[in-house]
Amino acid sequence: EAGVTQFPSHSVIEKGQTVTLRCDPISGHDNLYWYRRVMGKEIKFLLHFVKESKQDESGMPNNRFLAERTGGTYSTLKVQPAELEDSGVYFCASSQGLDRGEQFFGPGTRLTVL
Amino acid sequence: ILNVEQSPQSLHVQEGDSTNFTCSFPSSNFYALHWYRWETAKSPEALFVMTLNGDEKKKGRISATLNTKEGYSYLYIKGSQPEDSATYLCAFQPAAGNNRKLIWGLGTSLAVNP
Repeated sequence: EAGVTQFPSHSVIEKGQTVTLRCDPISGHDNLYWYRRVMGKEIKFLLHFVKESKQDESGMPNNRFLAERTGGTYSTLKVQPAELEDSGVYFCASSQGLDRGEQFFGPGTRLTVL
Repeated sequence: ILNVEQSPQSLHVQEGDSTNFTCSFPSSNFYALHWYRWETAKSPEALFVMTLNGDEKKKGRISATLNTKEGYSYLYIKGSQPEDSATYLCAFQPAAGNNRKLIWGLGTSLAVNP
């Protein structure tokens, strides 16, 4: 069974540019989560999808971040325009229906904003 | 504000040593406590999901205990091996409706010297 995949693995962009990160969850997992880890800090929750609906987006930093999950399969996270403080590792995770179940993580996208 | 604290921040041990780390979390509104193992540039790997006070779980040489009344969990590694070198992360899942977001500690970075 394929795990959670994320693309790209690394992205280096200039401040003010736009970047779109993609996450493909494990097939059949309705729940999809985005997290971010800024260097030296703890991993922080960004948002949670159930199928195509945003269940909780309380962790989204500001309106420069837009997450979508059209059709309830893969998800994209767009940052526009990127700022220096957006640099970090963006993780995606997915899980099945159990609300205390294990979340399966992708390897992350390392974003560097110069 | 919900805080998850992990100690120690880092640990260097010799191959064969046994070691343990601590995760402290809020004792109220507890839903679940997750332990993950993370090697940089790889996907965080779930070790345990713990839900009941007094839970003890084991996976090979790694085991964990849970005390929800006082808000702590211990992770033990028996006979550490170089391949155990990684960052061990704990994440608290609060009880709040349908919310499944994880609140993370900074992690304990373990280095096992051969």
